Parts: sequence; structure tokens; C-alpha cells
Amino acid sequence: NAGVTQTPKFRVLKTGQSMTLLCAQDMNHEYMYWYRQDPGMGLRLIHYSVGEGTTAKGEVPDGYNVSRLKKQNFLLGLESAAPSQTSVYFCASRQGINYGYTFGSGTRLTVV
Amino acid sequence: GENVEQHPSTLSVQEGDSAVIKCTYSDSASNYFPWYKQELGKRPQLIIDIRSNVGEKKDQRIAVTLNKTAKHFSLHITETQPEDSAVYFCAAHYSGGGADGLTFGKGTHLIIQP
Repeated sequence: NAGVTQTPKFRVLKTGQSMTLLCAQDMNHEYMYWYRQDPGMGLRLIHYSVGEGTTAKGEVPDGYNVSRLKKQNFLLGLESAAPSQTSVYFCASRQGINYGYTFGSGTRLTVV
Repeated sequence: GENVEQHPSTLSVQEGDSAVIKCTYSDSASNYFPWYKQELGKRPQLIIDIRSNVGEKKDQRIAVTLNKTAKHFSLHITETQPEDSAVYFCAAHYSGGGADGLTFGKGTHLIIQP
């Protein structure tokens, strides 16, 4: 039982490039989330999903897209990376409304 | 949406003393309040949480109190130890009106002085 796994762990992109971050969970959780964390800040919600095939916008969705084609995977895409998207990205999942969150180990993304 | 304020941003205490971190939230519909400890370069680690139908919860040296009327909740760490040094985040969970997720405070850097 690996919990929540994020790939890659580190990535450097050039401005304008695209990439996809993968979050995979093996706990059969319904809810999945993508957060970003910037220096001196708490985590901010980008997008979330309340079940397979569903996605919704969070607090800071601009510049990102997501997909949840399979229950265990939640993908975060950057179509045209910008330096402002330099951040640490955390994925999280939870079983339901009465359960706590499990976080992945994070992806450190630098856009130059 | 929900807004969470956290104070202080930095807290320095002597080893063995107590530390208190306070948070306020804005949305009365929030119903779950976790506290996370984050060490440099690591993921947030849940240390304690409380639900809106409970006023206080304790786990060894750590306790959380919730005042729903005033919309604030606090983390109390007693008999602090060097390994308690980290950044602590409070959060409030909301679900409803098409929204779902945690809103985090900006964090408190707790420094334990030997």
C-alpha cells in the first residue's frame, strides 16, 4: 500500500513548455486534490475531483487543467508553463466527507 | 470562499515550555479542522484534527480547541522538544455549494530554543 504517489519529484521547464503531473493513489479514495505551495504560504487548492470522471476548479485554477479518467489517477496539466507556476505541487486524496486527507510527497517544479 | 488567518507567523519558545498557535476561519459551514506539521522539503503531516461537533481533542502533548461561535481554533503543544521545530499549518475544510477542499493558513514557524 503505497498511499499517494506523485511523479515526477522534480522538473525544470522552459517558459511555454507543457507537462503533466501524475498523482496515483491505491486506497480506492473518491476525492482527489491538487494544491500548490509557494514560499511563506500555505497550500492553495488548484483543482479537485469528487469521483471518477469529475473535476472542479479550486482557488487558483488559471493556467492548469486536470483529468480523472480513472479513479486512482488524477492528472494536472500545464499547457504553457509560466515562471509564476514555479512552486511545489502536492496531491492529496480522501475517502469521503468524514475522512482525513492523505498527501503525496510533492513535485518541485521550476519554470525558467 | 473560506478564509483562514493564522497567528503568529513565527513563534520561538524555550524547550519544555508550551506553544500556542491560533487560527480563525470565516465560513461557518466549515466542519473539519486539521493541523499539519511540515518539515523542510517534506509533505504536510497530520498531527491532530477536530470536527465541528467537538470542542476539544487531546493526543499526548498536543491538543486542539475549537470555538464554533467565535470561529477560531487553536493548537497547544506542551513540554516542547527540539523535534517539534517545524512549520505548522492550520486548515479548515468546507464542502457544499459546489465547493470542496481545505483552506490553509499561511503557517507558523515554530522554533524550539535549547
